[in-house]
Amino acid sequence: SAVISQKPSRDICQRGTSLTIQCQVDSQVTMMFWYRQQPGQSLTLIATANQGSEATYESGFVIDKFPISRPNLTFSTLTVSNMSPEDSSIYLCSVERLAGGQETQYFGPGTRLLVL
Amino acid sequence: GQQLNQSPQSMFIQEGEDVSMNCTSSSIFNTWLWYKQDPGEGPVLLIALYKAGELTSNGRLTAQFGITRKDSFLNISASIPSDVGIYFCAGQDAGGTSYGKLTFGQGTILTVHP
Repeated sequence: SAVISQKPSRDICQRGTSLTIQCQVDSQVTMMFWYRQQPGQSLTLIATANQGSEATYESGFVIDKFPISRPNLTFSTLTVSNMSPEDSSIYLCSVERLAGGQETQYFGPGTRLLVL
Repeated sequence: GQQLNQSPQSMFIQEGEDVSMNCTSSSIFNTWLWYKQDPGEGPVLLIALYKAGELTSNGRLTAQFGITRKDSFLNISASIPSDVGIYFCAGQDAGGTSYGKLTFGQGTILTVHP
């Protein structure tokens, strides 16, 4: 498996502000991803965080709202910009790592965001 | 886009009973994964399936990758109170611009009564 940490673990923010979430992995990984889990819902992929190039965003998610950085192979940040109450969710990073000869995806503990 | 239908949405069972849940897809996946999420935690990987027809066990958990590559099931035998949580299936693409992307089912909420 992989040891993945996220900061902050939770936050309460005012609308119109921005929050940057950090994801740290215990060793180098090629693929890192950011997911959103809205209250009572499943997980939806926001983007793939690419090292050395711009993130690849899924339909419905844009760089201006969710800018992502990936400065190296163990770290990434996701910023939720100009927040509104609809952004209240759990934000999760995940990484791909070899397990039993196959690539498998592991998740961090998540960042619980409440926007007032 | 791809959609996963996971059922049932919720289950209320007695301790010791067996549990079965499944996922079906409108398209093919190359990998099926099953995760469990406890309150306040991120999803934890339970079982990964990489070949059509593959049947894999992990303790009391058994999962199969459907032969059509469009479905998977997860069975839990002799349930215990700590099995409580939300179980998610996820299908993974393997190529092109969707490399590594996971598509998740809606989740199955499992409640186990002692």
